[in-house]
Amino acid sequence: DADVTQTPRNRITKTGKRIMLECSQTKGHDRMYWYRQDPGLGLRLIYYSFDVKDINKGEISDGYSVSRQAQAKFSLSLESAIPNQTALYFCATSDLGFGSYNEQFFGPGTRLTVL
Amino acid sequence: QKEVEQNSGPLSVPEGAIASLNCTYSDRVSQSFFWYRQYSGKSPELIMSIYSNGDKEDGRFTAQLNKASQYVSLLIRDSQPSDSATYLCAVCTGRRALTFGSGTRLQVQP
Repeated sequence: DADVTQTPRNRITKTGKRIMLECSQTKGHDRMYWYRQDPGLGLRLIYYSFDVKDINKGEISDGYSVSRQAQAKFSLSLESAIPNQTALYFCATSDLGFGSYNEQFFGPGTRLTVL
Repeated sequence: QKEVEQNSGPLSVPEGAIASLNCTYSDRVSQSFFWYRQYSGKSPELIMSIYSNGDKEDGRFTAQLNKASQYVSLLIRDSQPSDSATYLCAVCTGRRALTFGSGTRLQVQP
């Protein structure tokens, strides 16, 4: 089984709809992240969480919210989707433990299209 | 100036040649550096990490770090068509999340 899973893998929705993307991990990592990727722009950080009670905004958090339900689960919500949120979304995890250097491991991604 | 800069490419090399991918970063206190490989439509895969000045080798891959010049590179020896992908450079400073470059597309010609 994959260490980092994302659901759904593909989603098409309409402008104004509320969407939730889910991420689960079995790696036992403390840190979890949400990125979006657009052609030519690389990966941009939306939100990140260092533990269940620690949530931080990334560089492009406007229009998004997150919930860290447990160490293993981190959800991303679009409260009212708009077309420019059409992108590939990735969840990632990393270890906070001694000797770690924040190597991040990515889920398979969710392709979101907002019409 | 972007925090992490890479040439977008495409970088085209013949099969069996050495591919050299470069990355510069702006934050002098950056501590750890990573190279990810990403095939089209797939997720990034960690292939190399480096934390100290100098070279680090793993199979056909060598990462090189020069903190004084704020420069990190990835060499791929004996390039294969299966190495054709986009290579992302990522930099970490302290407790912050990673900052990624926009990637260099590598094409290995059979």
